Amino acid sequence: EAQVTQNPRYLITVTGKKLTVTCSQNMNHEYMSWYRQDPGLGLRQIYYSMNVEVTDKGDVPEGYKVSRKEKRNFPLILESPSPNQTSLYFCASSLRYSGTAEQYFGPGTRLTVT
Amino acid sequence: AQKITQTQPGMFVQEKEAVTLDCTYDTSDQSYGLFWYKQPSSGEMIFLIYQGSYDEQNATEGRYSLNFQKARKSANLVISASQLGDSAMYFCAMREGPNTGFQKLVFGTGTRLLVSP
Repeated sequence: EAQVTQNPRYLITVTGKKLTVTCSQNMNHEYMSWYRQDPGLGLRQIYYSMNVEVTDKGDVPEGYKVSRKEKRNFPLILESPSPNQTSLYFCASSLRYSGTAEQYFGPGTRLTVT
Repeated sequence: AQKITQTQPGMFVQEKEAVTLDCTYDTSDQSYGLFWYKQPSSGEMIFLIYQGSYDEQNATEGRYSLNFQKARKSANLVISASQLGDSAMYFCAMREGPNTGFQKLVFGTGTRLLVSP
């Protein structure tokens, strides 16, 4: 089954404790992206990757890091989480060259930083 | 910069009636794509429908249709014969960049639809 998986689905942590949210897709997609969703703001892009070893900042990259060592995986790293990073996080992937370019979303990770 | 505006924070509709969710967009690109996603209370993002800027026909997918008015820069979602399961948050989004390149999506703030029996 074609899918994007994220782990963990729920996470409660404390300020300053490094964490990683994993994202994996099995569709051989070149493009992967991270979004955060906050009430009243919709989804905003954090980082994206056009292919292995190619990553770039989205609209709200502060406080986050990513890496793309393998095509299927795109982890999101919070080196020193703060309460303002409490949010719902989505990983998404798509083919790079596609007319409709539907982005497939993972199930989301709800993060709470206390 | 691209921008998506959804002016309806919430909408109510009775079961079996049609409902239109509004979306306007702002872009200087000639080539772009418009999407609608549904987010039920469980949280996942479900792709509903896509409209390319060069598509001459309005997109349709089952009970969903996209009323694309390019000159007015609007891409409203029409749901016909609403069902209770349609109760969810709906997001309009635009793909930045040409078809063969960059796949960033810019999202609106969403419209919460409630379907009543």
